[in-house]
Amino acid sequence: SQELEQSPQSLIVQEGKNLTINCTSSKTLYGLYWYKQKYGEGLIFLMMLQKGGEEKSHEKITAKLDEKKQQSSLHITASQPSHAGIYLCGADRQGGSEKLVFGKGTKLTVNP
Amino acid sequence: DADVTQTPRNRITKTGKRIMLECSQTKGHDRMYWYRQDPGLGLRLIYYSFDVKDINKGEISDGYSVSRQAQAKFSLSLESAIPNQTALYFCATSDYREGGKLFFGSGTQLSVL
Repeated sequence: SQELEQSPQSLIVQEGKNLTINCTSSKTLYGLYWYKQKYGEGLIFLMMLQKGGEEKSHEKITAKLDEKKQQSSLHITASQPSHAGIYLCGADRQGGSEKLVFGKGTKLTVNP
Repeated sequence: DADVTQTPRNRITKTGKRIMLECSQTKGHDRMYWYRQDPGLGLRLIYYSFDVKDINKGEISDGYSVSRQAQAKFSLSLESAIPNQTALYFCATSDYREGGKLFFGSGTQLSVL
């Protein structure tokens, strides 16, 4: 089974709406990473979370880590068309190994 | 210019052919990786290298080989391509001081007919 489950698999929202993407791990998390991928391009690093309860923000994107639940959420406030893309979470299984395993991704469409 | 450059961007080949995908980086990172991305399966690690003399298998290395020619260059080879190796391939780099913060190339779309 997939180690990292992302939900939803795809999401269509109207511009200006808030949204949340979840990433749940079936194993212990040593670090959780969020990446964004635009069509035809590589992944771009967004944020890294390492401690339970940690929360980070970048512009209108906020990510939180619930270590007990082995889950992370990515929240976008007042979505814009520029937020469209595929969001992937990645997890470090060994602590500092940098060998990330990734979820399958959540495809976000933002309609103007 | 991109920090992590992959060539070619697209490649169509036939079953049984030998293919090499190349990756070069100007970030000065020691660590380099090859991933493949398949619809519905996400990203999976093929090989990784933590320095020029270090090569390690990832979760799906069968059918692939790699060469770390220099700190800045890491190539992936398919000795005898097969159709189920059709995928989007990504090279990535990282700095040992920044954990899993990976820098990705733009990808190579490989189609094996």
